[in-house]
Amino acid sequence: ETGVTQSPTHLIKTRGQQVTLRCSSQSGHNTVSWYQQALGQGPQFIFQYYREEENGRGNFPPRFSGLQFPNYSSELNVNALELDDSALYLCASSEIPLRGRGGYTFGSGTRLTVV
Amino acid sequence: DAKTTQPNSMESNEEEPVHLPCNHSTISGTDYIHWYRQLPSQGPEYVIHGLTSNVNNRMASLAIAEDRKSSTLILHRATLRDAAVYYCIRNAGGTSYGKLTFGQGTILTVHP
Repeated sequence: ETGVTQSPTHLIKTRGQQVTLRCSSQSGHNTVSWYQQALGQGPQFIFQYYREEENGRGNFPPRFSGLQFPNYSSELNVNALELDDSALYLCASSEIPLRGRGGYTFGSGTRLTVV
Repeated sequence: DAKTTQPNSMESNEEEPVHLPCNHSTISGTDYIHWYRQLPSQGPEYVIHGLTSNVNNRMASLAIAEDRKSSTLILHRATLRDAAVYYCIRNAGGTSYGKLTFGQGTILTVHP
């Protein structure tokens, strides 16, 4: 198993800019979810992709969008960056719809700083 | 809508058992109980999950109350590497399977 890899590891952007974060799912996993983790808080669910379609979304505005590719890798795009978007962005993959089997494998995240 | 309650912090000594409690009094009959832990500067790590019966794996044991309103994660012999934030999560499964609602978690400190 190769695990979940995310790139880049760190990123600094200016308010108003756009950013794309990338995630390679663990081999054999067909589902990817994205989370935002502010400093000192638990991760917050952004959205999930299953078979290249969004399959669940948390309380995040439309300027947060994503893609899942046929090889199950994924991107998170954030437009019009705000200072509050500064956080650790986590990608997690799993194999569903075998409900309840196993857990999600998380990457180490991308630390985004908006200045 | 985390709907789980955990102590903010707990302490243990190395090589002693640790029991991390979690209350989920409003859990539905089809919700799974998941536990993840997060070490500093890393993403969360899956520990264990269960539905009704107690579960064991190489990392830990999960004891689920008969009424399913609470559960306890058991680390049989704590090591310094077990120091982390532990999250207890309800997961609806099905189409909501990917949505893990993290709370604040329990910060576990392990003393040598």
